[in-house]
Parts: sequence; structure tokens; C-alpha cells
Amino acid sequence: ELKVEQNPLFLSMQEGKNYTIYCNYSTTSDRLYWYRQDPGKSLESLFVLLSNGAVKQEGRLMASLDTKARLSTLHITAAVHDLSATYFCAVDKSGGGADGLTFGKGTHLIIQP
Amino acid sequence: DAMVIQNPRYQVTQFGKPVTLSCSQTLNHNVMYWYQQKSSQAPKLLFHYYDKDFNNEADTPDNFQSRRPNTSFCFLDIRSPGLGDAAMYLCATSAGWSYEQYFGPGTRLTVT
Repeated sequence: ELKVEQNPLFLSMQEGKNYTIYCNYSTTSDRLYWYRQDPGKSLESLFVLLSNGAVKQEGRLMASLDTKARLSTLHITAAVHDLSATYFCAVDKSGGGADGLTFGKGTHLIIQP
Repeated sequence: DAMVIQNPRYQVTQFGKPVTLSCSQTLNHNVMYWYQQKSSQAPKLLFHYYDKDFNNEADTPDNFQSRRPNTSFCFLDIRSPGLGDAAMYLCATSAGWSYEQYFGPGTRLTVT
């Protein structure tokens, strides 16, 4: 059974600080996804990582994928309040097809002024 | 704009009263998914259609059924909702080699 573990599950940080969210998964997969969710809202796609060594950046967020270590990271640089949300990583259930996603439990991020 | 649409956005039903949630898409994607997300939890895959082929997750209760009459529409039927079925139900679609999933806005189901 595929397991996806995120840590930390809760993170409170100050504006301007840097931090990293970690996502470990238990199966061989070269597809990993990061989503953002605001309270009461649906999921917003942030990054799609499709190969070992993939690195993507958007604004203050940067995501990377190491398929050999089965690890992805989401790095936040100089955090701002608007980034407060819950962040989920997710992995293809079948490791490379269209069988749906298994999500981590999510990281609830609060950025304080 | 091409998108994934879910109706209704909010649904209140009574315990045991059947309810149907709707999802439509203008992306012409061949795969459609239903996820259940309970409060403060991660989304959990219920089932998906790959074209007309239905794929049920092993732990999805029999109380949940789905229909896909054509490429654009997919329905989630809950035959006898219980209090534990209160959740946000998310529809998603995917196609192409990346199989990136595009999520609809969700339907929040309340069971009274």
C-alpha cells in the first residue's frame, strides 16, 4: 500500500523566514504533485514534478523531487502572509499512470506578520 | 474557459435520503475522479473512470456509486447517506502524458 508522509503537519512561522516542507513516499514513482488548499476551498495545483531531479519554482515557492530517496521538498523563501494555507503533496497510486492520487496528510502553514 | 464544474456547491440531505452530486468538464479529458475530503483530512480517492471503464477503490463503501453517461459528465450517488458521509466531495479530471489532475470547486455535503 502506498504511503505518503508529510512533515511537519503544522507550521507557524514569521514573515520573511525560510522553511521547507518534506514529503516522503513508499513506492517507486516519478510523478509527484503539490497542491495548495485554502479553508473551505478546492485544491489549487502548484507543481507537477515528473522526473528525478525535477525542480520547479513559482514566486517564493520551489519544489524538488528525488525519486531515488522517494523524497520531495517544498521550500518557502521569505514567507509572506498570503502563503498561509494547507499544502498537500500527492503521488500517483500506480506510480506512473492515471489511477488517481494518494495524498499526504497536509501541512497547515500559518505565516504571522 | 475550459473547466471542471460541480453542482451543487452546497448540498444538505437527510440521514438515509439518497443524494446525487454532479460533475461536468469542458476539458475533454478521458479520466474523471471522485475524492472525498472530510474536515481537516486529506482527500481520499473513492473511484475513477478511465473512459467508460469504472475503477473502484477497495475500501470505498458500497453506499457510494458512480455513473458516467458521456465524456463530459460524471455523477456521484450516495444511496443512504450517514452522518459520517458529511464531507467535501471533489471531482477531478486528467488526460495526457503528465496526468495532471484538474480539480473542480467541490460540493460540500451536510447530512442532518
